[in-house]
Amino acid sequence: NAGVTQTPKFQVLKTGQSMTLQCAQDMNHEYMSWYRQDPGMGLRLIHYSVGAGITDQGEVPNGYNVSRSTTEDFPLRLLSAAPSQTSVYFCASSPTGYYTEAFFGQGTRLTVV
Amino acid sequence: TQLLEQSPQFLSIQEGENLTVYCNSSSVFSSLQWYRQEPGEGPVLLVTVVTGGEVKKLKRLTFQFGDARKDSSLHITAAQPGDTGLYLCAGFQGAQKLVFGQGTRLTINP
Repeated sequence: NAGVTQTPKFQVLKTGQSMTLQCAQDMNHEYMSWYRQDPGMGLRLIHYSVGAGITDQGEVPNGYNVSRSTTEDFPLRLLSAAPSQTSVYFCASSPTGYYTEAFFGQGTRLTVV
Repeated sequence: TQLLEQSPQFLSIQEGENLTVYCNSSSVFSSLQWYRQEPGEGPVLLVTVVTGGEVKKLKRLTFQFGDARKDSSLHITAAQPGDTGLYLCAGFQGAQKLVFGQGTRLTINP
């Protein structure tokens, strides 16, 4: 039972570097989203997608790009990493329909130095 | 500023005690959810409340959605060490855009 798979689990970047956090789900869910979790801040929504080819901004989208070319994959791109982007990143997916359960990956811990 | 404010942010109590965690907002939500998160893991859904005034029970956990659908509470009866974790409330803006509170870190001491 893979569910939502995030890679890598840990990453250290230098300021200004770019990278892509990968997220894949095997549950055929239409809805996928990215969150960041900082101490005392809970989870903040970065970007979300309601289906292949459709994305929208969440609460904290600046510095991040997303695309959704397939139902299964929803990568998050950091264009030019900054220390303020040091955080734990979670990808989630959920089925279509109202008020459905979000299934989360195990997270990627990113440190920008 | 978080759209959903949880209180308290930290709570440490003894095994067997009761506790209540609150989730408040100035906005109306179509529904609210409660998640629990263990260290190193993603959040896992506990419950979804949809109707104003709704009460749901999950063993020793009781969840309530406010009549005006702006707030919710989680009450734990006779807390056990296994209840230790981060509890997160989340609200839907529209049908599927889900936003979270800052969480309540609960520690139950044996």
